[in-house]
Amino acid sequence: GQNIDQPTEMTATEGAIVQINCTYQTSGFNGLFWYQQHAGEAPTFLSYNVLDGLEEKGRFSSFLSRSKGYSYLLLKELQMKDSASYLCAVRSVDKLSFGAGTTVTVRA
Amino acid sequence: NAGVTQTPKFQVLKTGQSMTLQCAQDMNHEYMSWYRQDPGMGLRLIHYSVGAGITDQGEVPNGYNVSRSTTEDFPLRLLSAAPSQTSVYFCASSKGTVSSGNTIYFGEGSWLTVV
Repeated sequence: GQNIDQPTEMTATEGAIVQINCTYQTSGFNGLFWYQQHAGEAPTFLSYNVLDGLEEKGRFSSFLSRSKGYSYLLLKELQMKDSASYLCAVRSVDKLSFGAGTTVTVRA
Repeated sequence: NAGVTQTPKFQVLKTGQSMTLQCAQDMNHEYMSWYRQDPGMGLRLIHYSVGAGITDQGEVPNGYNVSRSTTEDFPLRLLSAAPSQTSVYFCASSKGTVSSGNTIYFGEGSWLTVV
């Protein structure tokens, strides 16, 4: 099985930067996803990392270190609409396992 | 584009009742799965299917049945509902298996309350 840990909550100011960390322990690691989920809605895909390093996509970046079992999602130039839950998900064979999610609150 | 469609969106059941959550996708995706989401526990995999006629258990399969008679449909059956099955259920699909790195697309969710 997988153990996936991420902080429960984070608060940041509009325009700031927030980094959400995710640590995992898994057998047969085969990639890591980040999803965004607004309250009452379905998760939507943000990023995917399978090799070590940084993947940048606009205001969002995701980093992976396979040897350390560690990833982070970096949100830059925070906007009010970024207030949501961010889910770290680890892929193993044919299964995708999720962490409990980090609720990010952006304040004006 | 319809994507992944789940019905019903909201349902209240009495303990012991049975029901089926419907899931359909129009993207010709081979891989389909069901998750439940509970506060503080994230999404947990119930059952999944890598193609028509093939299903397998996830992390929390007890109390649920699935079948995959067509590529498009993947219904989830609650055999005898229990209050512990009160949750939000998400159906998801992707082209090819998760191990091929394909993005998973989620339905809008079904809010189920068992009283």
